[in-house]
Amino acid sequence: AQKITQTQPGMFVQEKEAVTLDCTYDTSDPSYGLFWYKQPSSGEMIFLIYQGSYDQQNATEGRYSLNFQKARKSANLVISASQLGDSAMYFCAMRGDNQGGKLIFGQGTELSVKP
Amino acid sequence: NAGVTQTPKFQVLKTGQSMTLQCAQDMNHNSMYWYRQDPGMGLRLIYYSASEGTTDKGEVPNGYNVSRLNKREFSLRLESAAPSQTSVYFCASSEAGGGSNQPQHFGDGTRLSIL
Repeated sequence: AQKITQTQPGMFVQEKEAVTLDCTYDTSDPSYGLFWYKQPSSGEMIFLIYQGSYDQQNATEGRYSLNFQKARKSANLVISASQLGDSAMYFCAMRGDNQGGKLIFGQGTELSVKP
Repeated sequence: NAGVTQTPKFQVLKTGQSMTLQCAQDMNHNSMYWYRQDPGMGLRLIYYSASEGTTDKGEVPNGYNVSRLNKREFSLRLESAAPSQTSVYFCASSEAGGGSNQPQHFGDGTRLSIL
């Protein structure tokens, strides 16, 4: 069985500071991918960053980086220099390579950036 | 850049009515997906189509049917709507299934209320 757990229902961060959103996962697939999506209040799902289970380096995309610790089965999202526009729901998702492309989502973390 | 287009954006139904949610993508993707999003529960997979001509059940398929009309279009049908199906529905598509680093691209969602 596959499972994604996001234990932080809500987080606050001061503008310009860094914040880490936690994600742990469980899977029996030997190879898998981890994704983070942002959902602003307008409702659309925006892809942020991807980490493959066999990638040697942690993924980075601009101000987003993924702290991937395979042994701990964690894939935390780090947002540096937070901006007011970062306020949104953030979802961690996993796709096992033997699962036909299906994504399993966590319950999400609501991030609020304070001015 | 249309991407994934869902219609309608909003719909109110009475219990027992039927309706079809439409989804079309213009990215020549092979795989398409239907999710529902309920408060506090993240996104859950209803049905998916790994390629044209195939469909499979996801986590919560009861009460729904799907049709992969062609490579571009994937529709979701509620035959007899129930209040428990009140939710936001997302359609998504991706280039390939498992083993790919390509993310799923999402439509803007359909807000469906069943009275």
